[in-house]
Amino acid sequence: DAGVTQSPTHLIKTRGQQVTLRCSPKSGHDTVSWYQQALGQGPQFIFQYYEEEERQRGNFPDRFSGHQFPNYSSELNVNALLLGDSALYLCASSLFTGTGVETQYFGPGTRLLVL
Amino acid sequence: AQKITQTQPGMFVQEKEAVTLDCTYDTSDQSYGLFWYKQPSSGEMIFLIYQGSYDEQNATEGRYSLNFQKARKSANLVISASQLGDSAMYFCAMREGTQGAQKLVFGQGTRLTINP
Repeated sequence: DAGVTQSPTHLIKTRGQQVTLRCSPKSGHDTVSWYQQALGQGPQFIFQYYEEEERQRGNFPDRFSGHQFPNYSSELNVNALLLGDSALYLCASSLFTGTGVETQYFGPGTRLLVL
Repeated sequence: AQKITQTQPGMFVQEKEAVTLDCTYDTSDQSYGLFWYKQPSSGEMIFLIYQGSYDEQNATEGRYSLNFQKARKSANLVISASQLGDSAMYFCAMREGTQGAQKLVFGQGTRLTINP
């Protein structure tokens, strides 16, 4: 049973560039959430995708955008990179059950460094 | 808005001892859920245990148990018989949102170090 996978594992970009991070959910899951984790902090929610639509969004600027594909995989795009975007980006997948409990399972993350 | 507080930045414990990691939360919701995740240095967040606000029994998963005290708004993680592999960051998180639109709100984490 494949878990959540993310690519790439590490990435170095310069200010002003654009980056795309990818995530494949755990087998059987249909919902993907993205989190940003700065060094020494807990993860912060960016947004969540379900049925190829953004279902909810955290307090992040429009430079952060995403997409979900029919196979439930997802991309996170960040435009006009700033030094402060350097962080570990975590993808989590879950299954919408309608019962109120949707445990999120995380991938290994992508470490982004902006120079 | 919901809030999670973890007041222990770091904990040092001898191998085979039990350890309690503290977590307090703040919410006005009647229905909520609390999670604990483990994050080794590799970065992956590993799900450990879940407690629902209406669950009458404290959750247990192997060596992990959750000491849930609703009136005090605390959800402490207890690890019995600690092992060297338990050394990691531990995060308490709360489910925020309604069914089908849930996100996690995390605390700042506690770094646990198990000494041989």
